[in-house]
Amino acid sequence: DAGVIQSPRHEVTEMGQEVTLRCKPISGHDYLFWYRQTMMRGLELLIYFNNNVPIDDSGMPEDRFSAKMPNASFSTLKIQPSEPRDSAVYFCASSLAPEETQYFGPGTRLLVL
Amino acid sequence: DAKTTQPNSMESNEEEPVHLPCNHSTISGTDYIHWYRQLPSQGPEYVIHGLTSNVNNRMASLAIAEDRKSSTLILHRATLRDAAVYYCILRDEWAAGANNLFFGTGTRLTVIP
Repeated sequence: DAGVIQSPRHEVTEMGQEVTLRCKPISGHDYLFWYRQTMMRGLELLIYFNNNVPIDDSGMPEDRFSAKMPNASFSTLKIQPSEPRDSAVYFCASSLAPEETQYFGPGTRLLVL
Repeated sequence: DAKTTQPNSMESNEEEPVHLPCNHSTISGTDYIHWYRQLPSQGPEYVIHGLTSNVNNRMASLAIAEDRKSSTLILHRATLRDAAVYYCILRDEWAAGANNLFFGTGTRLTVIP
């Protein structure tokens, strides 16, 4: 398996623009997680899905952030409008079950100017 | 989840053993001890986990104190590729929210050639 795939790997945008991050989980994994990593706050869970359904979005910072999982092999995290404080590395991870090992993608490094 | 305490940083010489400590004095009886590591510019990856008994795998060994209030991740021969941030995480795998990995600040391991 290719592992968790994320795109783009790097994104530079201007404040106010819409940003869409993409993730393809490992085939057969029913759980998908979105994390954000910054120097100040470390790694934080934003939202996770089970069988394409959002289960816990309590980590989503504000309404500018939204996530969808239209099918078992694809998820998006959207920021609209983006702000400089959204600059971070965003990771997607997947697992077979909630207690199982989480496998992380390479991350998307986002810079909002 | 109960919290863990780790040193901010450690150094090791290449090809020598490394012992990474983790304190978790408030661990509950159903908390598993998980270790993940994050190599530079990569997503976190699973290393090892255990409940009460010491564990070995191809990557590392996990030594768990008899009272379970502390544990040690052992890399038997550190290589330059082991330079990473190592996270000690407690997971109650039977509780709701077991999927939420709280990464904390971890220990940054530097391997000296």
